This record gives sequence, structure tokens and C-alpha cells, in this order.
Amino acid sequence: LAKTTQPISMDSYEGQEVNITCSHNNIATNDYITWYQQFPSQGPRFIIQGYKTKVTNEVASLFIPADRKSSTLSLPRVSLSDTAVYYCLVGTSGSARQLTFGSGTQLTVLP
Amino acid sequence: GAVVSQHPSRVICKSGTSVKIECRSLDFQATTMFWYRQFPKKSLMLMATSNEGSKATYEQGVEKDKFLINHASLTLSTLTVTSAHPEDSSFYICSATDRDYTEAFFGQGTRLTVV
Repeated sequence: LAKTTQPISMDSYEGQEVNITCSHNNIATNDYITWYQQFPSQGPRFIIQGYKTKVTNEVASLFIPADRKSSTLSLPRVSLSDTAVYYCLVGTSGSARQLTFGSGTQLTVLP
Repeated sequence: GAVVSQHPSRVICKSGTSVKIECRSLDFQATTMFWYRQFPKKSLMLMATSNEGSKATYEQGVEKDKFLINHASLTLSTLTVTSAHPEDSSFYICSATDRDYTEAFFGQGTRLTVV
């Protein structure tokens, strides 16, 4: 399984754009990159998923360089409610052990 | 999107008793379900993987006789914590995936407190 490395924590202010980068140097050809958000005492919530280049949805963008050894989650104009732990995961549905969680990044949005 | 429902959300039990946690996929067939355990301010730790109709595969260090997993149908998996002890107190989370999905869908989690 591809191991992921993320910053342990990040602080930001309301209204700013936040970029969280994840390293996954040994990503496999069939692996997708998925980001989840987790609030305390809740299950992780899907944010975005991509395979290569750029993916955008209503809440975030995901940038993946050509070598796919890293990815960057971009959250535009964060608010206090975006304070959460963000996990980057690499895997494929074909694997029985699809998702191995790394340490995640604790994002704290300040007023 | 797909929904996974986990029940109960909170449970308190006495030491020595058993507790069952249910994980249901509401709008898709979950061929594979995963059970995680999460301690405060820690990441999710995979406990076991279950495929419908098969025995669960447990991660190293997880006692299969203590954490009984049943995945008898394509929409339901259960985790039973047997002879619970205070050190079993934790946040348990399930997730489910279908072969056609490239993402997993998570339940809301269950906060287990053993007193």
C-alpha cells in the first residue's frame, strides 16, 4: 500500500485559501487519491478524489502533478466550520485493504 | 451519494458484557466492509476487513475471538465486542465499498465506553 505523508497541523484564517499537500511516493498505477474530512466523534466524510491533473467540485480542488507522487487539496475561502482533520488516502477498490489512514492534518481555522 | 448507517452512535456497557455494533449500507451493495478503531486525537486504525459471505480478515494484533465480525448480507456487517473491558473503550467506525466504487463510504461511528 502506498504510504502517505502529510503535515501534522496547519492554521489558517477565515476567508483564506488553504492548501494541504500529501506525499505518496510509491503510488501504484491503479491507485486513486482520495481526501476525507473528519470532525470529532464523526466518521470521515468524502471530500474529493482524483487520478491525475486537476479535479474540482463544489467544496475543493485537487491538484495532482504528472508523476502522481504528491497531491494538494485546496480549500477556497475557509470558514470556522472547516476546522477538522483532513486525511489523504491512496488506494483502489480492487484491494481488500483499500484504505490505510495516515496521521492526517489538523486544520484549525481562526477568526 | 451512498450512505452507510452505523448504530448505535453511543453505547455504555459494563465490563464483561458484549456489545454489538451494526453497519448498514442503505443504497448500495457493500461487497466489502472495513472496521476501524480510533483513539482520541489519533488516526483510524484498520481492525479487520470483511467480504460478504466470507470470514473476516483481521489485522495483526487484533483478537478475532474478541472482536467478532459478521458480514452475512450485502447490506449489513456487525462487530461484536465480547467480554468488554475498559481498555476497549474507543471510537469504532465502519466503512463499506462496492466493487464499482473507487471510494469507501463511512458510517457515523460508535463511541463505546466500558465501565
